[in-house]
Amino acid sequence: GAVVSQHPSWVICKSGTSVKIECRSLDFQATTMFWYRQFPKQSLMLMATSNEGSKATYEQGVEKDKFLINHASLTLSTLTVTSAHPEDSSFYICSARPGLAGSEQFFGPGTRLTVL
Amino acid sequence: QQPVQSPQAVILREGEDAVINCSSSKALYSVHWYRQKHGEAPVFLMILLKGGEQKGHEKISASFNEKKQQSSLYLTASQLSYSGTYFCGTETGGGADGLTFGKGTHLIIQP
Repeated sequence: GAVVSQHPSWVICKSGTSVKIECRSLDFQATTMFWYRQFPKQSLMLMATSNEGSKATYEQGVEKDKFLINHASLTLSTLTVTSAHPEDSSFYICSARPGLAGSEQFFGPGTRLTVL
Repeated sequence: QQPVQSPQAVILREGEDAVINCSSSKALYSVHWYRQKHGEAPVFLMILLKGGEQKGHEKISASFNEKKQQSSLYLTASQLSYSGTYFCGTETGGGADGLTFGKGTHLIIQP
């Protein structure tokens, strides 16, 4: 099956620093990648939709200047949390979709971010 | 808009059946079902696209009532490995939409 990796698996950083999370589709090309955030005991919330070579589309309430998304190739998308604060601590999960709407999204293993 | 899942939680004995429902106030393009175990990423179960569609794999099946904008997940003869949180994710458009997930249904299977 299709595999999506994320790096790092977890990260602990100091308040005010920036953190980059990578999402890679290992054995397929993803025309679209998605970034989700999940707080403890809550559901996954879509943050943004990323299409290769174009600007990401952010969901309402998600600051695009704080959560920088780059989708430089069909197999790599990155999420950079700039000037992270403790309230940004969360489980960040990416998914990649090789096909069109209505097709399966393959989820990465997630990255747990803890901001001290 | 977030789909509504019910029930919020279910406790079963191994071998019992369960039904999890997912409903939306908006017309749905597709419904995706996932299971997530604590600290792990969601695992894909199935997608339903067409009104009236039903799918199944082993003892897990699902239906999609497009007119009612509802989907149900059926777990038959539950196994201990079925424990986890089940999420439905919905697409309302035909474009590059991400999934809007329900709040989840916590399923606990006891031996």
